[in-house]
Amino acid sequence: KNEVEQSPQNLTAQEGEFITINCSYSVGISALHWLQQHPGGGIVSLFMLSSGKKKHGRLIATINIQEKHSSLHITASHPRDSAVYICAASNTGNQFYFGTGTSLTVIP
Amino acid sequence: GAVVSQHPSRVICKSGTSVKIECRSLDFQATTMFWYRQFPKQSLMLMATSNEGSKATYEQGVEKDKFLINHASLTLSTLTVTSAHPEDSSFYICSARYHASYEQYFGPGTRLTVT
Repeated sequence: KNEVEQSPQNLTAQEGEFITINCSYSVGISALHWLQQHPGGGIVSLFMLSSGKKKHGRLIATINIQEKHSSLHITASHPRDSAVYICAASNTGNQFYFGTGTSLTVIP
Repeated sequence: GAVVSQHPSRVICKSGTSVKIECRSLDFQATTMFWYRQFPKQSLMLMATSNEGSKATYEQGVEKDKFLINHASLTLSTLTVTSAHPEDSSFYICSARYHASYEQYFGPGTRLTVT
């Protein structure tokens, strides 16, 4: 079993839909990260959070420490949001545990 | 935000040759750099962690004599794949962090194809 599990693995949505990607982790963490990987491979860090909720534009990330669960929400999805979204947990030793990613396709 | 670059972005080499990949932090001093490998449809796998001025720490199963890592300065780390074989073909990604930060800043990756 992976230390970090994501669901769904693949997601197709119509433009404008509200999207949720879930992440569960089994390790003790100092921070939970959401990353975006576009076709071609480059990775961008979207959020780093250790509690509560963060919002950046149309993206919202939440974390429940007790339940060891985080969600990434995208409001008013757009085709340019199409990418692989990766959840990663880091511990105090800054060791990262990566989920396998959620491949999102937003159709116009 | 902090910027990390990698060079080259794409390289094709013949089996048996060596390839060097550079990772640079452009606007901060990276006390620690990480090298990852990603196979298609799979997650990132940490290969090694390097701290400036000291030897890299390799993950289990990663051959240190095959994947040579040098972190000679606070802004540059290099990964050299020696005697490359087709099974080394992969996407190699570096990341960097500065002291006491939990944030890692990722490079754009290097796609290596060994023919």
